[in-house]
Amino acid sequence: AQSVTQLGSHVSVSEGALVLLRCNYSSSVPPYLFWYVQYPNQGLQLLLKYTSAATLVKGINGFEAEFKKSETSFHLTKPSAHMSDAAEYFCAVSEVDSSYKLIFGSGTRLLVRP
Amino acid sequence: DGGITQSPKYLFRKEGQNVTLSCEQNLNHDAMYWYRQDPGQGLRLIYYSQIVNDFQKGDIAEGYSVSREKKESFPLTVTSAQKNPTAFYLCASSRTSGRIGTGELFFGEGSRLTVL
Repeated sequence: AQSVTQLGSHVSVSEGALVLLRCNYSSSVPPYLFWYVQYPNQGLQLLLKYTSAATLVKGINGFEAEFKKSETSFHLTKPSAHMSDAAEYFCAVSEVDSSYKLIFGSGTRLLVRP
Repeated sequence: DGGITQSPKYLFRKEGQNVTLSCEQNLNHDAMYWYRQDPGQGLRLIYYSQIVNDFQKGDIAEGYSVSREKKESFPLTVTSAQKNPTAFYLCASSRTSGRIGTGELFFGEGSRLTVL
């Protein structure tokens, strides 16, 4: 079964600084990969997804992620953090079978300091 | 607007009571899912359904039950057998295509269940 590891349960950055949230997956076959964002007491919203097209994926709100097969990584970045980026971010990988299931990481809470 | 509606948003339950969480979607999606979210543990899959009148257990199905009588609806019942039901419950749906779906999920706003 697939698994996803997100390094760092909390990440704190200053407003305007680079955001880097780390995600590693376990798979011998390149899967579909996703980043979701969750604001307090709300559901999850898709930020971006990798589906074996371009390895650099651009998403909403200025976020992007790069798929690196050699490192089995899919880290999320944003050049300049904004206060509104404060939220919890989840990396997810899809099972490479017919179950259509997503496997989620444990999440990283992003704190943005003024 | 198309989307997923979960109700109620907040629910309190006494120990020993069953409760049912509602999930309705008007996205015409084939697949629907229930996840449980606990602090620091991410999302864990309870049940999922790929088609009407069919559903499968996820990773933590014990103490829960579901039905899928209509494409639009996928209610979750938290039974008294669930030992620690206090959590945030999220319903989601996805469009499936071919043998392997894209996996992209669309989420509802969630239901927070508290056992008193």
